[in-house]
Amino acid sequence: AQSVTQPDIHITVSEGASLELRCNYSYGATPYLFWYVQSPGQGLQLLLKYFSGDTLVQGIKGFEAEFKRSQSSFNLRKPSVHWSDAAEYFCASLGAAGNKLTFGGGTRVLVKP
Amino acid sequence: SQTIHQWPATLVQPVGSPLSLECTVEGTSNPNLYWYRQAAGRGLQLLFYSVGIGQISSEVPQNLSASRPQDWQFILSSKKLLLSDSGFYLCACWGTYGYTFGSGTRLTVV
Repeated sequence: AQSVTQPDIHITVSEGASLELRCNYSYGATPYLFWYVQSPGQGLQLLLKYFSGDTLVQGIKGFEAEFKRSQSSFNLRKPSVHWSDAAEYFCASLGAAGNKLTFGGGTRVLVKP
Repeated sequence: SQTIHQWPATLVQPVGSPLSLECTVEGTSNPNLYWYRQAAGRGLQLLFYSVGIGQISSEVPQNLSASRPQDWQFILSSKKLLLSDSGFYLCACWGTYGYTFGSGTRLTVV
Protein backbone atom coordinates (compact mmCIF):
# COMPACT_ATOMS: atom_id res chain seq x y z
CA ALA A 1 0.00 0.00 0.00
CA GLN A 2 1.19 3.46 -0.73
CA SER A 3 2.12 5.82 2.09
CA VAL A 4 3.36 9.38 2.41
CA THR A 5 5.52 10.62 5.28
CA GLN A 6 6.20 14.20 6.28
CA PRO A 7 8.85 13.93 9.00
CA ASP A 8 8.46 17.48 10.31
CA ILE A 9 5.25 18.28 12.17
CA HIS A 10 6.16 21.93 12.81
CA ILE A 11 8.70 24.25 11.22
CA THR A 12 9.40 27.83 12.28
CA VAL A 13 11.17 30.09 9.83
CA SER A 14 11.99 33.80 9.76
CA GLU A 15 10.40 35.97 7.13
CA GLY A 16 12.74 36.23 4.15
CA ALA A 17 14.55 32.99 4.97
CA SER A 18 14.41 29.90 2.80
CA LEU A 19 12.03 27.03 3.50
CA GLU A 20 12.23 23.32 2.74
CA LEU A 21 9.51 20.84 3.64
CA ARG A 22 10.30 17.15 3.43
CA CYS A 23 8.12 14.46 1.91
CA ASN A 24 8.86 10.78 1.40
CA TYR A 25 6.59 8.38 -0.43
CA SER A 26 6.32 4.65 -0.62
CA TYR A 27 4.92 3.23 -3.84
CA GLY A 28 6.00 0.51 -6.25
CA ALA A 29 5.78 2.54 -9.41
CA THR A 30 6.36 6.25 -9.94
CA PRO A 31 3.41 7.92 -8.28
CA TYR A 32 1.73 11.14 -9.10
CA LEU A 33 2.82 13.59 -6.38
CA PHE A 34 1.21 16.76 -5.09
CA TRP A 35 1.77 19.52 -2.59
CA TYR A 36 -1.24 21.30 -1.09
CA VAL A 37 -1.47 24.24 1.28
CA GLN A 38 -4.24 24.80 3.82
CA SER A 39 -4.64 28.17 5.47
CA PRO A 40 -6.43 28.22 8.85
CA GLY A 41 -10.10 27.29 8.49
CA GLN A 42 -9.78 26.94 4.73
CA GLY A 43 -9.87 24.12 2.21
CA LEU A 44 -6.91 22.79 0.25
CA GLN A 45 -5.13 24.69 -2.48
CA LEU A 46 -2.90 22.89 -4.97
CA LEU A 47 0.62 24.32 -5.04
CA LEU A 48 2.14 22.00 -7.61
CA LYS A 49 2.10 18.48 -8.96
CA TYR A 50 4.48 16.00 -10.56
CA PHE A 51 3.35 13.37 -13.04
CA SER A 52 6.45 12.79 -15.19
CA GLY A 53 9.20 14.61 -17.06
CA ASP A 54 11.36 17.32 -15.54
CA THR A 55 11.98 16.40 -11.91
CA LEU A 56 12.02 20.05 -10.78
CA VAL A 57 8.47 21.34 -10.72
CA GLN A 58 7.47 24.98 -10.41
CA GLY A 59 4.27 25.87 -8.63
CA ILE A 60 2.27 28.86 -7.54
CA LYS A 61 3.31 31.43 -4.91
CA GLY A 62 7.02 30.93 -5.70
CA PHE A 63 7.17 27.30 -4.55
CA GLU A 64 9.05 24.52 -6.28
CA ALA A 65 9.54 20.83 -5.58
CA GLU A 66 12.07 18.27 -6.71
CA PHE A 67 11.28 14.61 -7.35
CA LYS A 68 14.16 12.31 -6.44
CA ARG A 69 13.42 8.70 -7.26
CA SER A 70 16.58 7.41 -5.56
CA GLN A 71 15.48 8.94 -2.27
CA SER A 72 11.73 8.44 -2.74
CA SER A 73 11.37 12.10 -1.94
CA PHE A 74 9.43 15.10 -3.19
CA ASN A 75 10.60 18.04 -1.08
CA LEU A 76 8.98 21.46 -1.32
CA ARG A 77 11.11 24.60 -1.31
CA LYS A 78 10.73 28.36 -1.34
CA PRO A 79 13.77 30.66 -1.49
CA SER A 80 12.27 33.47 0.59
CA VAL A 81 9.15 33.05 2.72
CA HIS A 82 6.53 35.70 3.31
CA TRP A 83 4.35 36.03 6.41
CA SER A 84 1.40 34.89 4.28
CA ASP A 85 3.10 31.50 3.79
CA ALA A 86 2.20 30.55 7.36
CA ALA A 87 -0.11 27.58 6.88
CA GLU A 88 -0.22 23.80 6.91
CA TYR A 89 1.32 21.98 3.99
CA PHE A 90 0.37 18.51 2.82
CA CYS A 91 2.23 16.19 0.50
CA ALA A 92 0.12 13.60 -1.29
CA SER A 93 0.51 10.75 -3.73
CA LEU A 94 -1.96 9.28 -6.17
CA GLY A 95 -1.81 5.57 -6.82
CA ALA A 96 -3.59 3.52 -9.41
CA ALA A 97 -6.13 1.75 -7.20
CA GLY A 98 -9.32 3.78 -7.29
CA ASN A 99 -7.28 6.93 -7.88
CA LYS A 100 -7.09 7.49 -4.15
CA LEU A 101 -5.03 10.40 -2.92
CA THR A 102 -2.93 9.46 0.10
CA PHE A 103 -1.83 12.35 2.31
CA GLY A 104 1.10 12.82 4.60
CA GLY A 105 0.42 14.01 8.13
CA GLY A 106 1.11 17.62 7.24
CA THR A 107 3.72 20.19 8.29
CA ARG A 108 2.63 23.36 10.03
CA VAL A 109 4.78 26.36 9.08
CA LEU A 110 5.09 29.36 11.36
CA VAL A 111 6.73 32.52 10.02
CA LYS A 112 8.51 34.82 12.47
CA PRO A 113 8.72 38.54 11.66
CA SER B 1 -13.36 23.06 -15.43
CA GLN B 2 -14.84 20.91 -12.71
CA THR B 3 -16.28 22.53 -9.60
CA ILE B 4 -17.26 21.03 -6.26
CA HIS B 5 -19.98 22.52 -4.11
CA GLN B 6 -19.98 21.51 -0.48
CA TRP B 7 -22.27 22.70 2.28
CA PRO B 8 -22.73 23.81 4.93
CA ALA B 9 -19.42 25.51 5.71
CA THR B 10 -19.86 25.08 9.46
CA LEU B 11 -22.16 22.92 11.51
CA VAL B 12 -22.69 22.44 15.24
CA GLN B 13 -24.67 19.35 16.17
CA PRO B 14 -25.49 17.69 19.51
CA VAL B 15 -24.30 14.19 20.31
CA GLY B 16 -26.79 11.60 19.10
CA SER B 17 -28.25 13.76 16.35
CA PRO B 18 -28.22 12.71 12.68
CA LEU B 19 -25.92 14.17 10.04
CA SER B 20 -26.16 14.77 6.34
CA LEU B 21 -23.43 16.55 4.40
CA GLU B 22 -23.86 17.00 0.68
CA CYS B 23 -21.33 17.41 -2.07
CA THR B 24 -22.16 18.07 -5.72
CA VAL B 25 -19.89 18.18 -8.72
CA GLU B 26 -20.25 19.96 -12.04
CA GLY B 27 -18.11 20.26 -15.13
CA THR B 28 -17.15 16.61 -15.39
CA SER B 29 -18.89 13.30 -15.90
CA ASN B 30 -18.46 9.97 -14.13
CA PRO B 31 -15.92 11.30 -11.63
CA ASN B 32 -14.47 9.41 -8.69
CA LEU B 33 -15.70 11.08 -5.51
CA TYR B 34 -14.15 11.06 -2.04
CA TRP B 35 -14.87 12.08 1.53
CA TYR B 36 -11.89 13.00 3.70
CA ARG B 37 -11.80 13.98 7.36
CA GLN B 38 -9.24 16.08 9.15
CA ALA B 39 -9.45 15.83 12.93
CA ALA B 40 -8.00 18.69 15.00
CA GLY B 41 -4.21 18.74 14.65
CA ARG B 42 -4.24 15.67 12.43
CA GLY B 43 -3.70 14.97 8.76
CA LEU B 44 -6.29 14.06 6.15
CA GLN B 45 -7.86 10.64 6.34
CA LEU B 46 -9.80 9.09 3.47
CA LEU B 47 -13.20 7.92 4.73
CA PHE B 48 -15.08 6.84 1.60
CA TYR B 49 -14.67 6.81 -2.13
CA SER B 50 -17.01 6.10 -5.00
CA VAL B 51 -16.26 5.18 -8.60
CA GLY B 52 -19.90 5.36 -9.71
CA ILE B 53 -23.57 5.59 -8.74
CA GLY B 54 -24.34 3.34 -5.81
CA GLN B 55 -20.71 2.19 -5.50
CA ILE B 56 -19.19 3.05 -2.15
CA SER B 57 -15.95 1.83 -0.61
CA SER B 58 -15.20 2.46 3.05
CA GLU B 59 -11.62 2.97 4.07
CA VAL B 60 -11.98 2.94 7.83
CA PRO B 61 -14.60 1.53 10.22
CA GLN B 62 -16.63 4.33 11.73
CA ASN B 63 -19.94 5.80 12.69
CA LEU B 64 -20.50 7.30 9.25
CA SER B 65 -21.89 6.13 5.92
CA ALA B 66 -21.84 7.49 2.39
CA SER B 67 -24.17 7.32 -0.58
CA ARG B 68 -24.03 8.32 -4.22
CA PRO B 69 -27.57 8.60 -5.56
CA GLN B 70 -26.54 10.55 -8.68
CA ASP B 71 -23.34 10.69 -10.71
CA TRP B 72 -22.78 14.25 -9.49
CA GLN B 73 -23.90 13.83 -5.86
CA PHE B 74 -22.08 12.36 -2.85
CA ILE B 75 -23.62 12.37 0.63
CA LEU B 76 -22.02 11.70 4.00
CA SER B 77 -24.40 10.63 6.75
CA SER B 78 -24.65 9.47 10.31
CA LYS B 79 -27.66 8.24 12.28
CA LYS B 80 -26.19 9.28 15.66
CA LEU B 81 -23.22 11.58 15.93
CA LEU B 82 -20.42 10.97 18.43
CA LEU B 83 -18.08 13.56 19.92
CA SER B 84 -15.26 11.91 17.98
CA ASP B 85 -17.00 12.75 14.70
CA SER B 86 -15.95 16.38 15.09
CA GLY B 87 -13.56 17.55 12.42
CA PHE B 88 -13.14 19.17 9.04
CA TYR B 89 -14.77 17.20 6.23
CA LEU B 90 -13.60 17.61 2.67
CA CYS B 91 -15.23 16.31 -0.47
CA ALA B 92 -12.98 15.69 -3.46
CA CYS B 93 -13.37 14.75 -7.08
CA TRP B 94 -11.06 13.00 -9.55
CA GLY B 95 -12.35 13.90 -12.95
CA THR B 96 -11.43 15.27 -16.32
CA TYR B 97 -9.41 18.07 -14.80
CA GLY B 98 -7.58 16.05 -12.14
CA TYR B 99 -8.14 16.26 -8.42
CA THR B 100 -10.39 19.03 -7.04
CA PHE B 101 -11.39 19.69 -3.43
CA GLY B 102 -14.47 21.33 -2.02
CA SER B 103 -14.17 24.14 0.51
CA GLY B 104 -14.93 21.84 3.43
CA THR B 105 -17.41 21.59 6.31
CA ARG B 106 -16.27 22.15 9.86
CA LEU B 107 -18.40 19.91 12.10
CA THR B 108 -18.43 20.38 15.84
CA VAL B 109 -20.31 17.80 17.88
CA VAL B 110 -21.28 19.11 21.30
